[in-house]
Amino acid sequence: TQLLEQSPQFLSIQEGENLTVYCNSSSVFSSLQWYRQEPGEGPVLLVTVVTGGEVKKLKRLTFQFGDARKDSSLHITAAQPGDTGLYLCNAGNNRKLIWGLGTSLAVNP
Amino acid sequence: KAGVTQTPRYLIKTRGQQVTLSCSPISGHRSVSWYQQTPGQGLQFLFEYFSETQRNKGNFPGRFSGRQFSNSRSEMNVSTLELGDSALYLCASSLDAGEYGYTFGSGTRLTVV
Repeated sequence: TQLLEQSPQFLSIQEGENLTVYCNSSSVFSSLQWYRQEPGEGPVLLVTVVTGGEVKKLKRLTFQFGDARKDSSLHITAAQPGDTGLYLCNAGNNRKLIWGLGTSLAVNP
Repeated sequence: KAGVTQTPRYLIKTRGQQVTLSCSPISGHRSVSWYQQTPGQGLQFLFEYFSETQRNKGNFPGRFSGRQFSNSRSEMNVSTLELGDSALYLCASSLDAGEYGYTFGSGTRLTVV
């Protein structure tokens, strides 16, 4: 069974701090996505990575896909209260997708 | 362009009843997937429809069913509701099967009492 493990499960930090969350698996994927979900809303796609070693930046967010395409990280620089939410990773092969349980991030002012 | 629209946003039903949820995908997206989200289980895949055909199905009982119309709009139905069916039901549309990203609706919050 393919699994996507996200860590940490919960994270509470102060505004201005940096943080990294992880999405790990023993399986190789053709693509991986990161989403952010706010309470009571659907997840919003942040990024898709497809190439091993790929790094993508979205303002203060940096996403990296592992060289072997089995894992990914999301780094947030100078976190802000607006970054609060559930960060989910999702990966797949041949139209079969799996989801991690997410990292719940709280950024306190 | 308009996003994914799910109706209703909130629903309260009694055990044993049945419910129908609706989803209108982004124009041009032919794939619609449904997910159940609960705090302990995360996002659980229900089924995916593509061009009116169910293409993938998750591990849910037969009480959960769906369909897709020729305009790509989709409905899901849950019969004989149980307390454990209380959840946020999310619809997501994509050009393909979501490997390059979904656009989600805001969800329907179903409470079974």
